Amino acid sequence: AQSVTQLGSHVSVSEGALVLLRCNYSSSVPPYLFWYVQYPNQGLQLLLKYTTGATLVKGINGFEAEFKKSETSFHLTKPSAHMSDAAEYFCAVRERAGNMLTFGGGTRLMVKP
Amino acid sequence: NAGVTQTPKFQVLKTGQSMTLQCAQDMNHEYMSWYRQDPGMGLRLIHYSVGAGITDQGEVPNGYNVSRSTTEDFPLRLLSAAPSQTSVYFCASTRLAGSYNEQFFGPGTRLTVL
Repeated sequence: AQSVTQLGSHVSVSEGALVLLRCNYSSSVPPYLFWYVQYPNQGLQLLLKYTTGATLVKGINGFEAEFKKSETSFHLTKPSAHMSDAAEYFCAVRERAGNMLTFGGGTRLMVKP
Repeated sequence: NAGVTQTPKFQVLKTGQSMTLQCAQDMNHEYMSWYRQDPGMGLRLIHYSVGAGITDQGEVPNGYNVSRSTTEDFPLRLLSAAPSQTSVYFCASTRLAGSYNEQFFGPGTRLTVL
């Protein structure tokens, strides 16, 4: 079975600083990879996804993520944090055959003024 | 389009009570699923359905039943609620056709079992 590990359940950055949220997956065959964001008391919203092709994918709100097969990683970055980025972020994977998503434990991002 | 809707938004139950969480989507999606969200554990799949009349178990199905009589609706039933079922429940849907289709999530139902 797939597993997804997000290092750091809480990450705190200053406004304007680099955001780096880590995600590693366990699969010998590269799956589809996703990052979702959850704002307080809301559902999940897709930030970006990797399915095939270019390994650096850009998403909404200035976020991007790079798929590294050799490291089985899909880390999420944003060059400059904004107060509105404070939320919980989930990495998820889906095997190429099937529809089931497996989620990581989530990382709560806090942005300090 | 309303997307994925869930009712109720909040619910408090006593141990042993039963209830149904409602989920509906108006996007004609074949695939629907239920997740529960618990702190530090992300979202875990409870049950899913690939079409009307077809359901299957996910990672944590015990204590929950589902049915899919129409494409639009996918209710989740708790037959005898337990405190361990205190959680936030999310319904999601997606199309089956295509190499990948985004899963759309509802706003969630926050359930407390006393």
